[in-house]
Amino acid sequence: EIVLTQVPGTLSLSPGERATLSCRASQSISITYLAWYQQQPGQAPRLLIYGTSTRATGIPDRFGGSGSGTDYTLTISGLEPEDFAVYYCQYYGDSPGTFGQGTKLEIK
Amino acid sequence: EVQLVESGGGVLRPGGSLRLSCEASGFIFDDYAMNWVRQAPGKGLEWVSGINWNGGSIGYADSVKGRFTISRDNAKNSVYLQIDSLRAEDTALYYCARARVSSHFYYYMDVWGKGTTVTVSS
Repeated sequence: EIVLTQVPGTLSLSPGERATLSCRASQSISITYLAWYQQQPGQAPRLLIYGTSTRATGIPDRFGGSGSGTDYTLTISGLEPEDFAVYYCQYYGDSPGTFGQGTKLEIK
Repeated sequence: EVQLVESGGGVLRPGGSLRLSCEASGFIFDDYAMNWVRQAPGKGLEWVSGINWNGGSIGYADSVKGRFTISRDNAKNSVYLQIDSLRAEDTALYYCARARVSSHFYYYMDVWGKGTTVTVSS
């Protein structure tokens, strides 16, 4: 079973800054099978990115994904107030569709 | 509008049982696999169970295997989660989520419901 580790656990930044969130897999995975979700307080998760770098419908282009092998990154350029939330990565190449433990992006 | 609406949560005693339901609307239900994902208070997301479009492929997290049973009724556009032998650690918000494909329930999930809360307490 693939284990995903997200770092940092909490990231404190100011609006307008650039956020870089990391997701590391316990073994090399295909870029086809890495997704990112955003969960705002009190809300259900929302799909942001799939296939490492493809934005889901309606996701603004300030959200970008990259990576390969074991290391994957979600980048948010020019943080907006609504971007402060918890972010999860997910591997979906096989069952179970493992989630990382999440990174909380908070306002500095 | 594409929508998932969960129901069936509540407050139960350890050892009890309940059945969660998720009704889908706004899309062709049997074109998609479905999942249940839970979130304990203040914790992260935990995939619980998934089912492909016709029920022929099902999976469970190790933490619930043998106690949870997922099923679906395509005629009713619904997916269910039967939870038996409830434990305190099952306390969570349970989300229903649509997988983006029909065959692999573990695929990424593009539509989520608002969730239904299960509380297990003596």
